[in-house]
Amino acid sequence: NAGVMQNPRHLVRRRGQEARLRCSPMKGHSHVYWYRQLPEEGLKFMVYLQKENIIDESGMPKERFSAEFPKEGPSILRIQQVVRGDSAAYFCASSPTSLVEQYFGPGTRLTVT
Amino acid sequence: GEDVEQSLFLSVREGDSSVINCTYTDSSSTYLYWYKQEPGAGLQLLTYIFSNMDMKQDQRLTVLLNKKDKHLSLRIADTQTGDSAIYFCAEATGTASKLTFGTGTRLQVTL
Repeated sequence: NAGVMQNPRHLVRRRGQEARLRCSPMKGHSHVYWYRQLPEEGLKFMVYLQKENIIDESGMPKERFSAEFPKEGPSILRIQQVVRGDSAAYFCASSPTSLVEQYFGPGTRLTVT
Repeated sequence: GEDVEQSLFLSVREGDSSVINCTYTDSSSTYLYWYKQEPGAGLQLLTYIFSNMDMKQDQRLTVLLNKKDKHLSLRIADTQTGDSAIYFCAEATGTASKLTFGTGTRLQVTL
């Protein structure tokens, strides 16, 4: 039973480019969450999605960031026109219907140069 | 407001017990979690406790919850070098859709 998968594991972008981060939840999980971890800090919630729906995006920056979880395929976190301050580790988690447990992927480490 | 605090660093000798502490401020928390993060890796869910419980034991791990003081602790018995990692506590409110994490405690296990 594969865990939460994220790709790429490392992503380097120049300022102004777009970053696309992908997350495939565990089999049978229909709830996906994105978190960001800045260096030497804890994780900060960004967004919670179910298939084709954004449930809670209270942690998403107002501009440049968007997320989707289509009916088919992985969840995507998209960052447009990246800036140096976007450099961080981005983690995806998924949970089953019970919502109690969140299982995390290995993360995508974004570096903006 | 939501704020979860942890001490930054803990050093223990192999074979001793480790106790990692956490305080939180949201009295409506429903679940409280402990996660382990090894260097360059994601977070591994270790255990969690429902807010109406005061203790949970799982093999070498014991979680204590003092809801009155909003204090959560994780005790690791017979600590091994493989336990060296950063430990995060997290709280969830309502339907647990959003976790609020502490800053993490780095556990160093020495021989």
